Amino acid sequence: GAVVSQHPSRVICKSGTSVKIECRSLDFQATTMFWYRQFPKKSLMLMATSNEGSKATYEQGVEKDKFLINHASLTLSTLTVTSAHPEDSSFYICSARDDGTSVYNEQFFGPGTRLTVL
Amino acid sequence: GNSVTQMEGPVTLSEEAFLTINCTYTATGYPSLFWYVQYPGEGLQLLLKATKADDKGSNKGFEATYRKETTSFHLEKGSVQVSDSAVYFCALSDRVDSRLTFGEGTQLTVNP
Repeated sequence: GAVVSQHPSRVICKSGTSVKIECRSLDFQATTMFWYRQFPKKSLMLMATSNEGSKATYEQGVEKDKFLINHASLTLSTLTVTSAHPEDSSFYICSARDDGTSVYNEQFFGPGTRLTVL
Repeated sequence: GNSVTQMEGPVTLSEEAFLTINCTYTATGYPSLFWYVQYPGEGLQLLLKATKADDKGSNKGFEATYRKETTSFHLEKGSVQVSDSAVYFCALSDRVDSRLTFGEGTQLTVNP
């Protein structure tokens, strides 16, 4: 089956530093990837849609300059949390849509990255 | 816009009990419907899906039927196990842009 990996799985950083999270589709190509944020005991909030070779589309209320997204290849998207602060601490999950699938637009999810900002 | 409403949790059941988690949706057009499961500390795994009205998705003993007339996609399992303890998310996908809209999630705990 389609596998999506994320790296790192956990990261702890100091306030003011930047953190990069990678999302890779391991056995399929993904023109479109998605980044979500999940707060404890809450649902997933879509942050942005990442498109290979073009700018990401951010959801309302998500700061583009704060959460930089780069989708440089068909198998890799990165999310960089710039100048991280404690309120950015969260569980970040990516997903990818297999370019080879057809009608149901299924997304495959990565295992998530736990970010803790001290 | 699209929205998904899930039965509030948490839900606590004894092993072998019958499970129903209600899910209703609002959408323009004809979305695809999904149930995802999230085990503690992990990402989401697709549990089952349905792409058109009256389709029944099933996996690991779980079932859900796409009911267009009631805009529902309720999750059921006849006999739950301790290993089914997790958070369950109902979701719909807009066919145009693939964006997923999630329900709030339902925490299920199954006791031995």
